[in-house]
Amino acid sequence: ETGVTQSPTHLIKTRGQQVTLRCSSQSGHNTVSWYQQALGQGPQFIFQYYREEENGRGNFPPRFSGLQFPNYSSELNVNALELDDSALYLCASSLGQVPNSPLHFGNGTRLTVT
Amino acid sequence: GEDVEQSLFLSVREGDSSVINCTYTDSSSTYLYWYKQEPGAGLQLLTYIFSNMDMKQDQRLTVLLNKKDKHLSLRIADTQTGDSAIYFCAETTTGNQFYFGTGTSLTVIP
Repeated sequence: ETGVTQSPTHLIKTRGQQVTLRCSSQSGHNTVSWYQQALGQGPQFIFQYYREEENGRGNFPPRFSGLQFPNYSSELNVNALELDDSALYLCASSLGQVPNSPLHFGNGTRLTVT
Repeated sequence: GEDVEQSLFLSVREGDSSVINCTYTDSSSTYLYWYKQEPGAGLQLLTYIFSNMDMKQDQRLTVLLNKKDKHLSLRIADTQTGDSAIYFCAETTTGNQFYFGTGTSLTVIP
């Protein structure tokens, strides 16, 4: 069974730039969620994708956007980067049709905005 | 919105039991989860409990849920140095958004 994989592992960007983070879901999982984890904090929900459509969104501005592909992999795009966007971005996959299916996380992408 | 709270730090001696506590505010929570995060890694699912259960045991892990007080605990028996990590509790109602606490950093002293 292949787990959740994320790329890249680390990234440094400048304020105002744009970034794309990638995620491959665990085999058999059809739902992908993205979380932002600031230093010393718990993960905060950004959004979830199920059947290639956004299926719930947290309190994040529209410059955070995403995609899910037919093979269930996903991208997180962040435009106009701000210093406060520096965080660990975690992707998690789950079984969308199973109520409250547990999230299975990747190791994250560490984004630093300077 | 939902609020999940945990104490920040816990230190125990190797071989002792650890008890990590969590309180939550949403009475309509359906499932509650415990995750472990080691340095530089993502979150690893440890165990979860449905809200109509009081207790769940899984090898060295015991989860206790007091739904009346909205209190969740994770007991780790015979704590080992490899258990040193940050532990997060999380709750969900609809299943598409998980609400995490700020994490409890467990240090195991040899």
